[in-house]
Parts: sequence; C-alpha cells; structure tokens
Amino acid sequence: AQKITQTQPGMFVQEKEAVTLDCTYDTSDQSYGLFWYKQPSSGEMIFLIYQGSYDEQNATEGRYSLNFQKARKSANLVISASQLGDSAMYFCAMSTYQAGTALIFGKGTTLSVSS
Amino acid sequence: DVKVTQSSRYLVKRTGEKVFLECVQDMDHENMFWYRQDPGLGLRLIYFSYDVKMKEKGDIPEGYSVSREKKERFSLILESASTNQTSMYLCASSLFSLAASYNEQFFGPGTRLTVL
Repeated sequence: AQKITQTQPGMFVQEKEAVTLDCTYDTSDQSYGLFWYKQPSSGEMIFLIYQGSYDEQNATEGRYSLNFQKARKSANLVISASQLGDSAMYFCAMSTYQAGTALIFGKGTTLSVSS
Repeated sequence: DVKVTQSSRYLVKRTGEKVFLECVQDMDHENMFWYRQDPGLGLRLIYFSYDVKMKEKGDIPEGYSVSREKKERFSLILESASTNQTSMYLCASSLFSLAASYNEQFFGPGTRLTVL
C-alpha cells in the first residue's frame, strides 16, 4: 500500500527557532518524489520543496530543507529560524509510478509560531 | 505568473441542489484534479483528468461527477448536494510528465462549500 504518514497533528515553536515536521512514506516503487506544501489559513496550497528518490543531496530552498533518509523512508521538513508567517498547515505528499499522475497526501501538521 | 482559479471562494447551497464548482488553469497543463479537504483527513482525491473529455475516479468519487470539455477547464458537479459534502474543495493542475517521480501540482485558492 502506498501511504504518507504525518504523526504530529500540531507543533508549537517560538520565533527564530528551528522546527522539524515529520513525514514517513511507504511505497514499493524505486522511483518516487516527495513534496511539501504549506497551507495558510487563507486556504491556498503553496509548494515548498521537492526531493526525488534518486537525489543524493537533501533538497534545500531558503529556510526549508528536506531531511531525506531513504532507508528509514522518512522525508522530514526542517524550517530554520521560524517566523510568525510560518504558522500554517503543512502537508507531505508523494508521487509514484503506481499512483500515476496523482499525489498521495498525508493528513497534515499544524504549525504554530509564537513571538 | 501561473494560475489556477476557482469560481467561488465560499458557497452555500441547500440539500438536494445541483452544484457546479469550476476550475480554470492558464498553464496549458494536461492534468487536472479535484480534491476534498476535511479536518484530520488531509486531501482526498475525488476525480482527475489527464486530457480533454478524459476522467478517472479517485479515492472518493461517490456523489460527484466531473466534466472537462476544454483543456483549461475542469468542473466538479455535485448532482444532489448533501450535508456530508460540506467541505473545502481544492482544484489542482500539473504538466504531463514521463517522470512519474516529478509531477508538481499547482493549486487553486479553494472553495469552502456549505450544504444546509
């Protein structure tokens, strides 16, 4: 079965601290991709970062990095130096050959950043 | 700037009404998707389309139908709305890609539908 698991319904962090949002995945495909999206309270889904299964380096985009551990099947999102504007829901998603064109989403983690 | 637009941000309908949710993308994408988002359940795929007039059922197609008459437009239809269809509906699009591992989806702003 293909699945994305996000075990943290909610996370709390103070401004300027780093935070890690967990994501584990399950697929038998050798070629797959992992995505993180951010959804602010306004509702739109914003693409943050992508990691391909054959990429040897962990992906980074500004303050976002993806801690990819293939053997553990984990793809955690690390946000460095949190800002108030980072408060949002975060979704991990996976694309695979079996899933075709669709993405498989986790249930999301709500991040709250306080000053 | 790439864009996916949805016809309404908020919609209130009555039980039994026929409801149309429209989605338009200006990126010439082949693939279009309709998701439903509920608290604690994440995003669940209702239907998707990989070409004009083509459609495939997702995980929860019951009670919904779709239409794709033009490449840029993908409509979700609730034939007879029910209260359990009260939800956030998100439309997305993506390019056709031979690399199954990379198919970033671009999302619209969402429609919050309430069925009374």
